[in-house]
Amino acid sequence: SQQGEEDPQALSIQEGENATMNCSYKTSINNLQWYRQNSGRGLVHLILIRSNEREKHSGRLRVTLDTSKKSSSLLITASRAADTASYFCATAYNQGGKLIFGQGTELSVKP
Amino acid sequence: NAGVTQTPKFRVLKTGQSMTLLCAQDMNHEYMYWYRQDPGMGLRLIHYSVGEGTTAKGEVPDGYNVSRLKKQNFLLGLESAAPSQTSVYFCASRKTPNNEKLFFGSGTQLSVL
Repeated sequence: SQQGEEDPQALSIQEGENATMNCSYKTSINNLQWYRQNSGRGLVHLILIRSNEREKHSGRLRVTLDTSKKSSSLLITASRAADTASYFCATAYNQGGKLIFGQGTELSVKP
Repeated sequence: NAGVTQTPKFRVLKTGQSMTLLCAQDMNHEYMYWYRQDPGMGLRLIHYSVGEGTTAKGEVPDGYNVSRLKKQNFLLGLESAAPSQTSVYFCASRKTPNNEKLFFGSGTQLSVL
């Protein structure tokens, strides 16, 4: 399976703390994306990092990519209760459009 | 724009019944995808399409068929439903590989008894 693995599977923090989630994948990728899913909803795109990039920022989000280790991390700084959701990484391979998701990290931010 | 619309939102089937899930997008996207989401398994790619008239297998294609007769629609069919196909199904689309962001529908909750 090409499916990536994410850890931790679940993360519980207090408001104001930082949350870090990790994603590992198995084969060479074109880019890696992070998505967010609120309970009972579809996924929403957060940020994309290309294979030739090492770090990217968007607001309170910071994504890193280490292609030598085949891993990525998503950091959410100064978390808020509204950040409570599941977060998924998705990897795009050089195979004409296929996009494979990881198993997700369930983040709970307590007020 | 409605974005990506999935119908129906909920469905209960008996084992052996057939049904079709419809995904429609009004963003003129070339690429469309069907995923299933099960607890602890994340999203798994069933089938996808890179343009009108094309389809390709994903990670878990067995037991499903798809068609992309019109660019805006991507149909997912279950010919003989099994309890293992109880899941939440998500459709997604994106413009091209160079515009890599996926837009998702709100999902279809399917139960097979």
